[in-house]
Amino acid sequence: DTGVSQDPRHKITKRGQNVTFRCDPISEHNRLYWYRQTLGQGPEFLTYFQNEAQLEKSRLLSDRFSAERPKGSFSTLEIQRTEQGDSAMYLCASSPAEAGNTIYFGEGSWLTVV
Amino acid sequence: GDSVTQMEGPVTLSEEAFLTINCTYTATGYPSLFWYVQYPGEGLQLLLKATKADDKGSNKGFEATYRKETTSFHLEKGSVQVSDSAVYFCALKNRSPNGNQFYFGTGTSLTVIP
Repeated sequence: DTGVSQDPRHKITKRGQNVTFRCDPISEHNRLYWYRQTLGQGPEFLTYFQNEAQLEKSRLLSDRFSAERPKGSFSTLEIQRTEQGDSAMYLCASSPAEAGNTIYFGEGSWLTVV
Repeated sequence: GDSVTQMEGPVTLSEEAFLTINCTYTATGYPSLFWYVQYPGEGLQLLLKATKADDKGSNKGFEATYRKETTSFHLEKGSVQVSDSAVYFCALKNRSPNGNQFYFGTGTSLTVIP
């Protein structure tokens, strides 16, 4: 399977703990996106990378959230001092720079903060 | 700012019924428009897209026409199947140089009963 892969698929953590999600984009894609989706809502943009550069960050991305893409390939999204309101599905997506505007999503990482 | 408004669900149809899910958008310039589908427990998959006015996107029997005059991109299918049961998201992406965000609607849940 050469699609976008995310790990872990499910994470249950206690409030106050740190969690990290990993995303491996489609190999030839240089753009990578993180979105957050809560139940009954559409995905909300969090941040965007072109290669290793983080070019856009949403105001939704508080200072407890940090994303990296150190070598322009895989990316990590870390949430520090988790809160119950962080419970959501975290979606990663990637796209090539040249092929228009389509982005391809992974299956998401579910986070439950208890 | 850019936004998408789509018909609230849930929608329940009998197999072989006609489907319409309404989507309207607000955007500056000339956005590209998309429909994504999310099956239970999975990430979002691109269903179809249109990149300019009067374009018709189609896939798997679904169609949507980009109507600039009514700022709409309604999704239609002539005869739904049980396997079409999913959540459908309308989305837009604007073409501004810094506009790398996709804006999603809140989703419309479709259940098709035999």
